[in-house]
Formats: sequence, structure tokens, C-alpha cells
Amino acid sequence: GAVVSQHPSWVICKSGTSVKIECRSLDFQATTMFWYRQFPKQSLMLMATSNEGSKATYEQGVEKDKFLINHASLTLSTLTVTSAHPEDSSFYICSARDWAMGWTQYFGPGTRLLVL
Amino acid sequence: GESVGLHLPTLSVQEGDNSIINCAYSNSASDYFIWYKQESGKGPQFIIDIRSNMDKRQGQRVTVLLNKTVKHLSLQIAATQPGDSAVYFCAESANDMRFGAGTRLTVKP
Repeated sequence: GAVVSQHPSWVICKSGTSVKIECRSLDFQATTMFWYRQFPKQSLMLMATSNEGSKATYEQGVEKDKFLINHASLTLSTLTVTSAHPEDSSFYICSARDWAMGWTQYFGPGTRLLVL
Repeated sequence: GESVGLHLPTLSVQEGDNSIINCAYSNSASDYFIWYKQESGKGPQFIIDIRSNMDKRQGQRVTVLLNKTVKHLSLQIAATQPGDSAVYFCAESANDMRFGAGTRLTVKP
């Protein structure tokens, strides 16, 4: 149980285009979802926290107009990287939590984004 | 400020030996801790957790020790195997899922 999927697993796009990444909790309802980015050989950096039906809370330094997060249902959150630039190339990972299951977060497999 | 941090960025052990990965935390309000394992190119996987009312918890080949006096957490892996090679992160409840640097464990055959 507690499986989280992400789609796509990798994406290559041209600079200036927008990319949408989906995060789904497959066998539980995710009251809270988190989005992280990770650069090579670095730790996970929390970008934003979203609760179902509410606006996401962004970490300091993360542009909310560039990284659009939608958590419209208890099983789906999306991250849209708008007007992507090469410096947005990174590994994006989501995680999900259901408070009924406790405090533990369950992570997706990640999405590798390369912006050319 | 409050932080979760790892003592060592890298750890290299011989296959079959025991591994100990350490983590320091500074928020005394934390009452729940988790260890995650991240293999290359994958998302973190839950390994084991511990609540602050415990000082030790054992899983399959893994043991987590919690020392609240010095705000220290450790993960012990028994009979380390090549498949244990990964980056290990600790997380604490009061610092809601903000990860420290992680420790890269390399297992030598």
C-alpha cells in the first residue's frame, strides 16, 4: 500500500515552453502533497506544500507564478513549470501524506526534466 | 535556526560489515523521526520511523536509535549489502519534511 506515481518519468522540452507533471496517490487519499526538486548530488529541496482544495504554500525563494501547483482532488496534484528555462532542469519529486495514516510521507519515483 | 543535519556526507563500508549513519536535529519539539533511503534516480523510500517516547526501534536488518538528550538519531544497518548503497536522509516532524544533506553509503564488495 501507499503507492505514489508520477507522470511523466522524464521529459525534454524547449526553453520557453510549459511542462506539467502529475503526482497521484494510487491507493490512499492524500490530504497533503509536497513537491521537491533535487539537483545532482544534492539533497531534496522542498518547493511547496499543498492541501487538497487549498492554495499551495510555497517555500521562500520559490516563484509561485513559475511553479504552478494544483491539488484539486485527494489523489492528484500537478506541478506546472511555466516558461521553462535550462536552469529549471532538475529532478522533481512529489510526496503524499494522509493524516489518517500518520505523519509518514510517501514519495513518487520522480520526474527528470531537461530544458534545452 | 532549527535544522536537520547529517554528520557525514559519505560513508564507505565493506560488504557484510555493519553501517551506522548519524543525524543531528536541533528542534526539541520534534516527536517523530523517519529515515529514508534514496537510490540513484529514484524517489526516497521509507525505511523506518521512531517516536520520541522510544529510544530504539528495530526493523529488518535496520535499527534506529534516538538520543533526545543530545538530539541525535542514528540508523544502523546490519550485514550491509551492495543493495544498501544509496543516500540516506533523516526527517523530523517539527521541521516538516525539510531534508538535511543526506549521507551517501557506498558498499565495497
